[in-house]
Formats: sequence, C-alpha cells, structure tokens
Amino acid sequence: NAGVMQNPRHLVRRRGQEARLRCSPMKGHSHVYWYRQLPEEGLKFMVYLQKENIIDESGMPKERFSAEFPKEGPSILRIQQVVRGDSAAYFCASSPTRADTQYFGPGTRLTVL
Amino acid sequence: AQSVTQLDSQVPVFEEAPVELRCNYSSSVSVYLFWYVQYPNQGLQLLLKYLSGSTLVESINGFEAEFNKSQTSFHLRKPSVHISDTAEYFCAVSEDSGGSNYKLTFGKGTLLTVNP
Repeated sequence: NAGVMQNPRHLVRRRGQEARLRCSPMKGHSHVYWYRQLPEEGLKFMVYLQKENIIDESGMPKERFSAEFPKEGPSILRIQQVVRGDSAAYFCASSPTRADTQYFGPGTRLTVL
Repeated sequence: AQSVTQLDSQVPVFEEAPVELRCNYSSSVSVYLFWYVQYPNQGLQLLLKYLSGSTLVESINGFEAEFNKSQTSFHLRKPSVHISDTAEYFCAVSEDSGGSNYKLTFGKGTLLTVNP
C-alpha cells in the first residue's frame, strides 16, 4: 500500500507566480490535512478537507491560499501571487476517518525567489 | 489554544548511550499526545501516541514516552540509541474537545544525532 504521495518534492517560483502543490492520500483515506513548516518552526495546521468539502480552513491565510479535494484526483493546495514569506515546507497528511492517525507525505519544499 | 515546547533543538549523543527528548505542552482541555520522527528527505512517521489508559507508551523500535499530566510533559526516552536513530523528532498534541481532535499542533522539533 503506497504511502501519501506529494509532488513536486521541490518547487521554485518567482514572486508573483502561482504555486500548485499536489497530494495523493493513501488508498482508502478520504480525509486530507495540509500543514506548513516555516524555517525554524514546527508544523502548523492549515486546512482539513474531506472529499469535495472543506471541513476546517482556520489555519489558512485569508488571501492567496486555497485548497480543494475533488471527487477524483489529488488534493491541491494553491498559492497565488507567491511572496518570499511563502517559502516553506508544505506537508500533506491523510487518514481513513476523522479521528484516526494521520499519515504524512514527504512534503513539498517551496522556494520563492 | 494548545501549544508544544520542545526544549532542545539539537541533542548529540554517542551510540549505545541513553537519550531523553523533552516535550511540554499547554492546553486547557484533555489532550492526545504524539511523537513523530522524520528521517532525511522523508515524511513524518508516527513513532508512538498516547490517547488514554496507561501513561507509558512504547514503540516497536525501543522508544518509550510517559504522559505526566501534573507536569504537562510527554518526554521521549530510549535506553540505548543506534546510529540509525539519527533523525528529527517532533512532539505533537491535539485537543480532545469540540470535535477538533484532528488538528495537530507540533513543537519545533529536536534533531537527534547519534555519533559512533
């Protein structure tokens, strides 16, 4: 059973461009969570999605960030008009139910030039 | 809101020595506690967790952690470390309240380096 897949593993963008980060949960998992790890910080919760629904986006910045988890395909974290402060590692996790253990992917390291 | 403090950002030890990685948390409600490990270029893997019951929990590779409610701590210990234990270790907490127990709050991590 493949683990949580994230791609790309590394992404470089210039200021003002868009970044799209993809997350494929483990087979049988319909709950997806995104976390962000800024340099020298712990992981911070961003958003929790279940198929086609955003359950909790309390950790998402109010502007430029959006997330989706369509019926088919991976979950997408989208960052519009990136700024240098968006440089971080973005981790996705999945679980089979809401209260279950979260399994993490390897992360996408975003660098904004 | 809950918070997690990992007091040591780096812990260097020699192989076969004992190690303790410290974790303290702050919360106004009951919590679940976790230790995750991240090997280089890999995702976080769950090492062990405390949900309820016995306050001493163990992992399959010799680590253990003890939940101490009075000291709000969940320190990770191993009596004898191996080179392969070199990794970053993250303590995390979620609150058992209001249906938001999925929301993990992490510490900044402790880099354990085991030297020969």
